[in-house]
Amino acid sequence: DTAVSQTPKYLVTQMGNDKSIKCEQNLGHDTMYWYKQDSKKFLKIMFSYNNKELIINETVPNRFSPKSPDKAHLNLHINSLELGDSAVYFCASSQDPGGSNSPLHFGNGTRLTVT
Amino acid sequence: AQSVTQPDIHITVSEGASLELRCNYSYGATPYLFWYVQSPGQGLQLLLKYFSGDTLVQGIKGFEAEFKRSQSSFNLRKPSVHWSDAAEYFCAVGGTGTASKLTFGTGTRLQVTL
Repeated sequence: DTAVSQTPKYLVTQMGNDKSIKCEQNLGHDTMYWYKQDSKKFLKIMFSYNNKELIINETVPNRFSPKSPDKAHLNLHINSLELGDSAVYFCASSQDPGGSNSPLHFGNGTRLTVT
Repeated sequence: AQSVTQPDIHITVSEGASLELRCNYSYGATPYLFWYVQSPGQGLQLLLKYFSGDTLVQGIKGFEAEFKRSQSSFNLRKPSVHWSDAAEYFCAVGGTGTASKLTFGTGTRLQVTL
C-alpha cells in the first residue's frame, strides 16, 4: 500500500563508488522528483520529471543522473561518490508539476553515507 | 528569487500548551504556501496549503495557519499540542507552471514535554 517507495533505506559506500537509488510510486501521478536533505535538514530539489520528461535540473553535478523508465519510476544513479554526497535523498511525486496545485507525496528517504 | 525563512530552529512546548511556528517568505507574485511535517525516519507529509481565499486555513491534525500578506508571513498554529506532534516542521513557497518548484525553509524542530 506504500504510495511512494524508495530503496534502499540505508546505503553506506566508499568514495569513488557508483550507486543507484530506486523510486516507485503507485499513485498514478505524472510528476516525480528527487530532493536532497543535508545534515542541517535543508531540503533542496535536484530533479523533476513530468511524464518521463526532465523538467527541472537544479545545477546538480553531472555525476548525478536520473532516469525515468516510465511514469511510475524515477531512479537516481550517482557516479564517483564524494564525501559531500552524504545526505538523505527523498523521492516524491505529485499529480501536477511544481508541487503547488497538487501536493507532494514523499517517500521515506534513503540515507546515503559516503566514507 | 523565492525564499523561506523559519527563524526558530528548535522550539519546546509542554503538552497541552499552544504552539506557533513562524514562517516568512519572499515571492514575486501571489504565492502558494505550505506547511509540511516530517517525523523521524519518515518523508514529509502535507499539513495544509494556502493559495487564495480565506487567509486562515485549516489543516490536518488540528493545525491551522494564517496568511498575512503585509508581513509576508504564514505562521502555523495549534491550540493544544499533543506529544505525538513532536517532529520537524517545514514551511514552503511555490508558484504555478510546469517548471515551478517548491522552496523549503530550514525547518523548526518541535519538542513536546510531558
